[in-house]
Amino acid sequence: SAVISQKPSRDICQRGTSLTIQCQVDSQVTMMFWYRQQPGQSLTLIATANQGSEATYESGFVIDKFPISRPNLTFSTLTVSNLSPEDSSIYLCSVGGTVQSGANVLTFGAGSRLTVL
Amino acid sequence: QKEVEQNSGPLSVPEGAIASLNCTYSDRGSQSFFWYRQYSGKSPELIMSIYSNGDKEDGRFTAQLNKASQYVSLLIRDSQPSDSATYLCAGGGADGLTFGKGTHLIIQP
Repeated sequence: SAVISQKPSRDICQRGTSLTIQCQVDSQVTMMFWYRQQPGQSLTLIATANQGSEATYESGFVIDKFPISRPNLTFSTLTVSNLSPEDSSIYLCSVGGTVQSGANVLTFGAGSRLTVL
Repeated sequence: QKEVEQNSGPLSVPEGAIASLNCTYSDRGSQSFFWYRQYSGKSPELIMSIYSNGDKEDGRFTAQLNKASQYVSLLIRDSQPSDSATYLCAGGGADGLTFGKGTHLIIQP
């Protein structure tokens, strides 16, 4: 399976600033996703990062708040903009491999733990 | 809205016993189901996948799927302290996965 490097692993940011998280994969992958995991909660899909086109956002997530770049098939960034304490969470990069039935088997990066003061 | 429900626990099981984790899902269109293990402060790690009704065994782990009842389970035999973690159930298809909130499992030495 793909090896995913994600950084930073953790950061503490001030309200109103932005944080950019980087995700590097050791092989070319078609499907790359960004998830959020808030304390005590499950994984929520933010968006699918599409190479060469705009990301596809899930309901409740917008490009102005979570701009995503995907310049090639091995790299993506997620920016969390205009930070507020409610953005304190773990952000996870993941890549998908298709198995039977078309489902995406996901491999996750180590995550980026964000604390907003 | 697609939902995956799990008992959050904690589920406490003595070492060496069988741990049984359960999950129900709302979307009858879901075709594939996965169990992820997540240690505290770490990212989720895939441990089992199941696509057909019945049982699937891999070492000490057995996944069970009943599509009629919309029910998925994970059995861990000979539980070890290292199995203590949060177990996330996920289901879906080509349009993506929906995750449950996870069950916190504690194996008591």
